Amino acid sequence: KNQVEQSPQSLIILEGKNCTLQCNYTVSPFSNLRWYKQDTGRGPVSLTIMTFSENTKSNGRYTATLDADTKQSSLHITASQLSDSASYICVVSENDYKLSFGAGTTVTVRA
Amino acid sequence: NAGVTQTPKFRILKIGQSMTLQCAQDMNHNYMYWYRQDPGMGLKLIYYSVGAGITDKGEVPNGYNVSRSTTEDFPLRLELAAPSQTSVYFCASGVKTRGEQYFGPGTRLTVT
Repeated sequence: KNQVEQSPQSLIILEGKNCTLQCNYTVSPFSNLRWYKQDTGRGPVSLTIMTFSENTKSNGRYTATLDADTKQSSLHITASQLSDSASYICVVSENDYKLSFGAGTTVTVRA
Repeated sequence: NAGVTQTPKFRILKIGQSMTLQCAQDMNHNYMYWYRQDPGMGLKLIYYSVGAGITDKGEVPNGYNVSRSTTEDFPLRLELAAPSQTSVYFCASGVKTRGEQYFGPGTRLTVT
């Protein structure tokens, strides 16, 4: 069964600090891996998409990495801001409509 | 562009009632999707559509129906609502080439 496991489940960091979220997956076949940010009460918004051949991609202060051999990905948040408080969801795609979603990591940034 | 819009934002249903969740997009996307998100769980695909007149089941289709008469609209119908359908429902749309999906704001449904 295709699965996407994220860790930690939640974390609290101080404003200005960095953090790294982890994603392990068993999805096969693999098309791409995405990271989404979901603010409370809102729909997910895409941060990055990486294909098999890409091992790092950045979007502002967000940097995602992918190791397709070990089936692991990480999302690094640099110099966190209060607006980074959200749930971050790792999504692995087999094709255009078969996506496996992780349960998300809830990040709380404190002043 | 409004993007993906969903109505209503909130709804409370009694067991056995029916309702339609509305979804519309103005980005001319061929692909549209319905997901449900339960607390502590990843999103699950209910139904999807690759174009007007074409729909197919996702992972959790039981108790739901969809139609796609136009490119813009993709309503989700709940027949005989059950407490297990209490969830947050998200509609999304996308283009085939990159598989990117754009999500609506969600509908929070409670069945009591």
